[in-house]
Amino acid sequence: AQSVSQHNHHVILSEAASLELGCNYSYGGTVNLFWYVQYPGQHLQLLLKYFSGDPLVKGIKGFEAEFIKSKFSFNLRKPSVQWSDTAEYFCAVNEEGTGGFKTIFGAGTRLFVKA
Amino acid sequence: DVKVTQSSRYLVKRTGEKVFLECVQDMDHENMFWYRQDPGLGLRLIYFSYDVKMKEKGDIPEGYSVSREKKERFSLILESASTNQTSMYLCASSLFALAGADTQYFGPGTRLTVL
Repeated sequence: AQSVSQHNHHVILSEAASLELGCNYSYGGTVNLFWYVQYPGQHLQLLLKYFSGDPLVKGIKGFEAEFIKSKFSFNLRKPSVQWSDTAEYFCAVNEEGTGGFKTIFGAGTRLFVKA
Repeated sequence: DVKVTQSSRYLVKRTGEKVFLECVQDMDHENMFWYRQDPGLGLRLIYFSYDVKMKEKGDIPEGYSVSREKKERFSLILESASTNQTSMYLCASSLFALAGADTQYFGPGTRLTVL
């Protein structure tokens, strides 16, 4: 089974700082990769995803992620964070199994942005 | 907009009780999932279903069962609740059974406390 590792469990940044959240996965085959975000009091929602093509993926709210196959990585970046980016971020990878795909999630990274 | 609803936001039960968590999606999605979310562990898949009356075990199915009698409804059952099942339970759905790049849409979660 695949595993997903997120390097940091808690990150604290000041507004306008740059963000990079690390994510590594274990599967060596074709992968579909996701970042989901959960804002305080809200549903978990998709931030961006990669399934083919350009390894640099752009998502909502100025986030992007780069798929580096040789490093089994899918790191999330944002050049300048805002207070409203305070949330928990989950990296995820889809694994093909009996009857379809299931998603394996990382443990999550809690980001706190100081105003 | 896809809407995934869960029957309760908060639930308190006693050890040994049978507990039903209900999830309904309104977008004719084929796939439905039940996760539990615990701090530092991320989301862990309990069960998923890719069609009516079909179910597959996830990573932590012990102590749980599921039912999917209708396409839009997926129920999680705790046959005899225990204190280690105190957690946040998230339901999700996605459109295609065989598409690895599917986005999952999440409900608001049910916070279950077992005393």
